[in-house]
Amino acid sequence: AQTVTQSQPEMSVQEAETVTLSCTYDTSESDYYLFWYKQPPSRQMILVIRQEAYKQQNATENRFSVNFQKAAKSFSLKISDSQLGDAAMYFCAYRSALYGGSQGNLIFGKGTKLSVKP
Amino acid sequence: DARVTQTPRHKVTEMGQEVTMRCQPILGHNTVFWYRQTMMQGLELLAYFRNRAPLDDSGMPKDRFSAEMPDATLATLKIQPSEPRDSAVYFCASGWREFTDTQYFGPGTRLTVL
Repeated sequence: AQTVTQSQPEMSVQEAETVTLSCTYDTSESDYYLFWYKQPPSRQMILVIRQEAYKQQNATENRFSVNFQKAAKSFSLKISDSQLGDAAMYFCAYRSALYGGSQGNLIFGKGTKLSVKP
Repeated sequence: DARVTQTPRHKVTEMGQEVTMRCQPILGHNTVFWYRQTMMQGLELLAYFRNRAPLDDSGMPKDRFSAEMPDATLATLKIQPSEPRDSAVYFCASGWREFTDTQYFGPGTRLTVL
């Protein structure tokens, strides 16, 4: 079974600085997807960024980028120029890319609570 | 702006009562997921539908929980009878091509069972 581990329960960053959130996962599959979701106090789960395992190029979305290390099974999120609105829980998630069967759900890590200091 | 909608947003009920949560997936999406979020367990899958057919409900307590999709625009999650340990936030998410597309989450239903 696949597992996702976020080893940092809490992180803090100064506004305008850069912060990196860590995520590791365990799988025997070669094809899969990885995601970072943001959950602000409103509880809404918001997709931040996604990465296909077959792509070597790291995904980027504006101030958000990932460092995807497939061999190390690592998928960290870097937030540049941190803003007060970035304060939230961040969840790393894994999804199998296998066709057929029931493997379609997301497997989540426990989350990292990010605080942004003004 | 297409969104997943969930009702109710908040529900407080007494132990033993029936609870029904509803979800309207994004039009055109063919997969629907129910997740539960608690402090102890985090986010965990309860049920998964593809083209309205249940594919995986292994995470759901079968004796009290049931999930259905009466039609493509409505998914329901029922708890009967409810227990205090069911207190959690219940999320519905939908997607299109389930193995390549992103899941979009509804705002969640916060359930409190007294």
